Formats: sequence, C-alpha cells, structure tokens
Amino acid sequence: DADVTQTPRNRITKTGKRIMLECSQTKGHDRMYWYRQDPGLGLRLIYYSFDVKDINKGEISDGYSVSRQAQAKFSLSLESAIPNQTALYFCATSDDRTSGNNEQFFGPGTRLTVL
Amino acid sequence: AQSVTQPDIHITVSEGASLELRCNYSYGATPYLFWYVQSPGQGLQLLLKYFSGDTLVQGIKGFEAEFKRSQSSFNLRKPSVHWSDAAEYFCAVGAGGNKLVFGAGTILRVKS
Repeated sequence: DADVTQTPRNRITKTGKRIMLECSQTKGHDRMYWYRQDPGLGLRLIYYSFDVKDINKGEISDGYSVSRQAQAKFSLSLESAIPNQTALYFCATSDDRTSGNNEQFFGPGTRLTVL
Repeated sequence: AQSVTQPDIHITVSEGASLELRCNYSYGATPYLFWYVQSPGQGLQLLLKYFSGDTLVQGIKGFEAEFKRSQSSFNLRKPSVHWSDAAEYFCAVGAGGNKLVFGAGTILRVKS
C-alpha cells in the first residue's frame, strides 16, 4: 500500500463549488504539505503543518484553507472554486526527527478541473 | 529568498545517449539539494539528494548529480538514457523548516 494517499485522484467541478481534497499517510511523519503544480511553474507550496495544532501559509494560500484532523490526515479545501485553481495538487510528508534534511515524500496527486 | 532555476523546459535525447539536466539555485548557506522525477500520471519520486560531503552524489536508476558551490549548480546526469527515463524532472532546494523550493521542471523526451 502507498505511504501517502490522496483522494480523489481526479475531480471536475464548477465555479463556486466547495471542494475538499484529502491526504492520508502511514509514514508516521509529523510534517505535511500541500502543493499545486502548474505547467512551467513547478510546484508551489500552499500550506504546511508541522503537527496537529500547527498550520502555516505557504507561497500561494489565497483561496485555500486546510485542516489537520490528525497526525495522519491533512485536508485542503477550496471554499469557492475558480477556474484558475485548475491544477495538479500534491500532498507531501516529512519526518521532523531528521530536521533540516528537508526530504519530502509525495502522494500520487489529485487532478482538479474547475469549469 | 531561495530560488531554483531549471533553464531547459524541454530536452530531447536519443536512447543510449548521455543526459545532463541543469539546475542553478540561490541560497545563502550550504544548501540541501534534491532531484525528483515525475513520470506521467505519477507522484514525485526522489532520485537523489545532497546534504554535505562528497559533491558527486549517486542516486537511483543510474542517475548522479554534482554539487558545484562556485557555480551554484546541481546538474543531474546519466551516461546512457533509457526510454523509460522519459518524464519531468524537478530540482529543489531546502528552504529551512523542512520546506522545499522547486524549479519549474524539465521535460525529458527520449527518441528511439
């Protein structure tokens, strides 16, 4: 079984709808991240969390919110989706016991299309 | 602020030919550097990483990368490319606090 899973893998929605993307991990890592990938822009950090009570904005947090329900779960919400949020979204984890090495482990991605 | 530049958006090489993907970074201290690969429809897989020590780093799938502080570079190389290496490759630098800053990616096409 995959260590980092994301659901759904694909989603098509309409402008104005609320969408939640979910991420679960079995790696036992405390640190979790949400990125979006756009062609030609690489991956950009949306939000990150270093433990259950910690939420931090990343580079492009506007229009998004997150919830860290448990160590293993980190959800990304789009309160009112707009077409320029069409992208590939990745969840990632890292182990704070090796603090400083920055290595992250990625889920398979969720392809979101907003019409 | 940290940044990563991958100057080549697309690269096409013949199967069996050598490969070099370029990566330049901007970071004030000794960087943590990574190369990830994304195959079509897949997540990102770590190819290799540099933290300290030997500047030539060996990774999976026959890839290696060389850290050159004087050039702020961390180029990825492979002596003989296979068709299965066709993918998108991302260079990343550790930005402190376990965050990563990614380059825009290089799409590798392999022709037979």
